[in-house]
Amino acid sequence: DIVMTQSHKFMSTSVGDRVSITCKASQDVGTAVAWYQQKPGQSPKLLIYWASTRHTGVPDRFTGSGSGTDFTLTISNVQSEDLADYFCQQYSSYMYTFGGGTKLEIK
Amino acid sequence: EVQLVESGGGLVKPGGSLKLSCAASGFAFSSYDMSWVRQTPEKRLEWVAYISSGGGSTYYPDTVKGRFTISRDNAKNTLYLQMSSLKSEGTAMYYCARHKERGSALFAYWGQGTLVTVSA
Repeated sequence: DIVMTQSHKFMSTSVGDRVSITCKASQDVGTAVAWYQQKPGQSPKLLIYWASTRHTGVPDRFTGSGSGTDFTLTISNVQSEDLADYFCQQYSSYMYTFGGGTKLEIK
Repeated sequence: EVQLVESGGGLVKPGGSLKLSCAASGFAFSSYDMSWVRQTPEKRLEWVAYISSGGGSTYYPDTVKGRFTISRDNAKNTLYLQMSSLKSEGTAMYYCARHKERGSALFAYWGQGTLVTVSA
């Protein structure tokens, strides 16, 4: 199975800053990567797919990039409501797999 | 509004069985592929089952293949997950998820989850 690695389990940032969350695939997945946001006490929500396409209603402060094995979710002008866990997912293979998650803390 | 409401979770002994249900509303259930995704106490997400819109195709990861069975009743707008030979690693919140569209691999909508605890 393809392993998705999010090397930072925790990241800390301040309101108004820009933060980048990274995800690395164990093999080439093209651009078949999605990002999900999970706020405390809620279920995950789809943010980005095909590495860089925003899902309906997602603010343009969320930007996805990358291809092959290295992917990044960038949040510009971080807001307090962005406090959440962020997960990457690959869907290049039918055995869908997720990264371990990055918890974004707001200082 | 898309709504997915899971039920059927609870405490089960190792080796036991449990059947989860997911009641769907707010969209044409029979037109969408569906999956079950679980989240461990350590917050790790694991996809555990997929079923096509008509029910003709199902897929599972090796970790649950042969023990879990996904099914659906399009007349009742309900998705199911039959779990057997449960292991302690099966302790998790189980979410049903609607795919973005037919043939899509994206989990566009998630329910609130039902908690399964596997413990003696």
